[in-house]
Amino acid sequence: DTGVSQDPRHKITKRGQNVTFRCDPISEHNRLYWYRQTLGQGPEFLTYFQNEAQLEKSRLLSDRFSAERPKGSFSTLEIQRTEQGDSAMYLCASSLPPRFGNEQYFGPGTRLTVT
Amino acid sequence: AQKVTQAQTEISVVEKEDVTLDCVYETRDTTYYLFWYKQPPSGELVFLIRRNSFDEQNEISGRYSWNFQKSTSSFNFTITASQVVDSAVYFCALQRGSQGNLIFGKGTKLSVKP
Repeated sequence: DTGVSQDPRHKITKRGQNVTFRCDPISEHNRLYWYRQTLGQGPEFLTYFQNEAQLEKSRLLSDRFSAERPKGSFSTLEIQRTEQGDSAMYLCASSLPPRFGNEQYFGPGTRLTVT
Repeated sequence: AQKVTQAQTEISVVEKEDVTLDCVYETRDTTYYLFWYKQPPSGELVFLIRRNSFDEQNEISGRYSWNFQKSTSSFNFTITASQVVDSAVYFCALQRGSQGNLIFGKGTKLSVKP
């Protein structure tokens, strides 16, 4: 399967703990995005990378959130000192640049539950 | 400000009925992209279509068709002869030409009953 993959699919953690999620994009895609989706809402943008450079960050991305894409391939999203309000589905997507067709393809998501 | 409005929260139809999902967007950009995604009960977002702001041609793909009208800032999606497998939440999204992030509407939940 050459789609976007995310790991883990589910994570339950206690408030205050740190968590890290991984995303592997479609191999030829140089853009990688992170979104968060809560129940009954559309996905909300968090951040995006072009190759290894982080080009945009949403105001939703507080200091407790950090994302990396060290070699321009996979990416990690870390949440430090988790809070109950962080409970959500975290989605990763990847795409080519606009001139090659910039539709974003999404992974299955990581569902985070903070207790 | 950039915004996408999907005024229909839920729609319920009987199989074989036609259904139109509305999407109205706001942007001051001249270059932008519009998208539709499907999110079935399994949860994974599935890309359906991309349209750029310079291409107002309607598109048809099987039972799906899209009507893009810049004059009314709308990008509506019609499913002809709906099927139970069309049951899902459908999202409309906007992307500014110079940026990467998608701005999603709140989605329309479509239920197709046999």
